[in-house]
Formats: sequence, structure tokens, C-alpha cells
Amino acid sequence: DAGITQSPRYKITETGRQVTLMCHQTWSHSYMFWYRQDLGHGLRLIYYSAAADITDKGEVPDGYVVSRSKTENFPLTLESATRSQTSVYFCASSRLETQETQYFGPGTRLLVL
Amino acid sequence: EDQVTQSPEALRLQEGESSSLNCSYTVSGLRGLFWYRQDPGKGPEFLFTLYSAGEEKEKERLKATLTKKESFLHITAPKPEDSATYLCAVHWGTASKLTFGTGTRLQVTL
Repeated sequence: DAGITQSPRYKITETGRQVTLMCHQTWSHSYMFWYRQDLGHGLRLIYYSAAADITDKGEVPDGYVVSRSKTENFPLTLESATRSQTSVYFCASSRLETQETQYFGPGTRLLVL
Repeated sequence: EDQVTQSPEALRLQEGESSSLNCSYTVSGLRGLFWYRQDPGKGPEFLFTLYSAGEEKEKERLKATLTKKESFLHITAPKPEDSATYLCAVHWGTASKLTFGTGTRLQVTL
């Protein structure tokens, strides 16, 4: 039972490069979310999706792009990485609305040099 | 303005020494409050959901309670394996998203 997986788990890139973080869930959950976690901040929502082809901005969307062509996949792209995007990124999913429990992936540690 | 505040930031307990973690919130229209446990290098792991004031939930040594302005996570006779960061999050208003606190880092020593 894979649940929710993220790849890569670790990534080092340079300023200005495009980076895509992958998220895959096997539960057929409708909702999927991308968060970033930084010291001194709680988990902050970047983007979320209520279903395939439906996405919406969260608290900190600038510099990020998402797509969701299939229910099970929700990739996050940093179009031109900046040092401020160095962070740990978590993908999550929930069956229905947000008041339903969100289940988190293991995270991707991204370092932008 | 902080909408979800957790205290203390860090807590060190000896094995068997019970204590409580606090999560206070200033949002209106609470729809649910969630507690998660996060181990180093891992994603948050779901513990509890509370929906209304007065509600309580228990799991092993953990008990979560909810009032109109805060939630407590009570840890009874903790063990070293309870060491982790505990996060709370609230779902409020009409937005389909959670607001997280910054967490309490718990260390339980022998």
C-alpha cells in the first residue's frame, strides 16, 4: 500500500533553473495539496486542487506552478528557482473537503544554490 | 496576526512525567481542529480531529480536548518514543484549506 509518495526526496539545484517535484497518491482522493515547511513558520499552503483540472492558490503561490491532469498526480513546478525557495515541500491528500483528514507524503528537501 | 499559536515551542519531559501542549486559535467559524505528529525527516502523521467544543479523543497515551478558543494535547506517562514535534491545524471559514501552528517540539528522556 503505497499511499502518497513524493519524488525526488532530495534535490539540489541552482538559481534560475526549473524544478518539478512529483506527488502521487493511490487512494483516489479528490483533494491534493502542496505545502512548504520552513523554520519559524508553520506549514504554509502553496497550491491545492479539488479535482483533476481544478487548482487554486494557497497562501504562498508566487513562483510556483501546478497542474493536475490525473486524479492521482499533482506535480509542483518552480519555474525559475530562487534561494528563498529552499525548503522542505510536502504533498498531502484528503478524500473530500478539507475538514476531512489530510494525509501527508514523506517530503522533498530542496536546496537552491 | 497569528491565527494558530502553539505553546510551548519546546518541552522536555522525563519518562512518566505527564504534561499538556496547547494550541490556541483566533479564527472564526471553526470547522475542525487537527493534531499531527511529525518525526524528524518525515511528513506529519495524523493523530486526531476535533469538531466542536467539549469534544475529546484519546489514543494510547494521548488525549486531545477542544474548547471555543484552544485545544490541549495531554500526554500521560510519556515514553521516549513519544518524542516528536506535535502540530495543530485549524480548518475555518469557507476556505478549503488548513492553517497550521508552528508546532511543539517534545523530547522525552529516560
